[in-house]
Amino acid sequence: EAQVTQNPRYLITVTGKKLTVTCSQNMNHEYMSWYRQDPGLGLRQIYYSMNVEVTDKGDVPEGYKVSRKEKRNFPLILESPSPNQTSLYFCASSLRGGASSYGYTFGSGTRLTVV
Amino acid sequence: GNSVTQMEGPVTLSEEAFLTINCTYTATGYPSLFWYVQYPGEGLQLLLKATKADDKGSNKGFEATYRKETTSFHLEKGSVQVSDSAVYFCALLDYMYSGGGADGLTFGKGTHLIIQP
Repeated sequence: EAQVTQNPRYLITVTGKKLTVTCSQNMNHEYMSWYRQDPGLGLRQIYYSMNVEVTDKGDVPEGYKVSRKEKRNFPLILESPSPNQTSLYFCASSLRGGASSYGYTFGSGTRLTVV
Repeated sequence: GNSVTQMEGPVTLSEEAFLTINCTYTATGYPSLFWYVQYPGEGLQLLLKATKADDKGSNKGFEATYRKETTSFHLEKGSVQVSDSAVYFCALLDYMYSGGGADGLTFGKGTHLIIQP
């Protein structure tokens, strides 16, 4: 089944403890992206990747890192999480990014709470 | 920059009522337009899309027409069901967006739809 898989689904952590949210897709998509969803703000893009070893900042990149060493994986890293990073996170992929009308496939989300 | 504006709700309707969720956009280039749906506890799913002016996207009884003259992409359904209760997101992908930072979908804030039996 074609899908984007995120792990974990739920995570509660403490301020300053490094964490990684994994994202994997099995569709050979070139483009991958991370979004956070907050009440009243909708979805905002954190980072995106046009292809392997090509990443760039989205609208709200502060406090986050990403890497794209392989086509299928795009982990989101929080080196020192803070309470304002408590949110619902979505990974998405698309066959190609930028000048393309291909639909995005979204993961099921990771609900992160930082205390 | 690009932006999408949609009614936030919640929008509460009775079953079999007619649904309209308004969406308007601003874009620097020639965007494709999308509606995504998010059911409780799930990720976003593509509902329908339109890639050029006057195109009509449709799926599962939902329709939306790309109106370039009014920069709108309103979502409609003739007779809603309880199972349509979800959050609906309007989004655009701008072919010629060259601003710093984001490259990808620009989302509206979402409209929470509640259908009562």
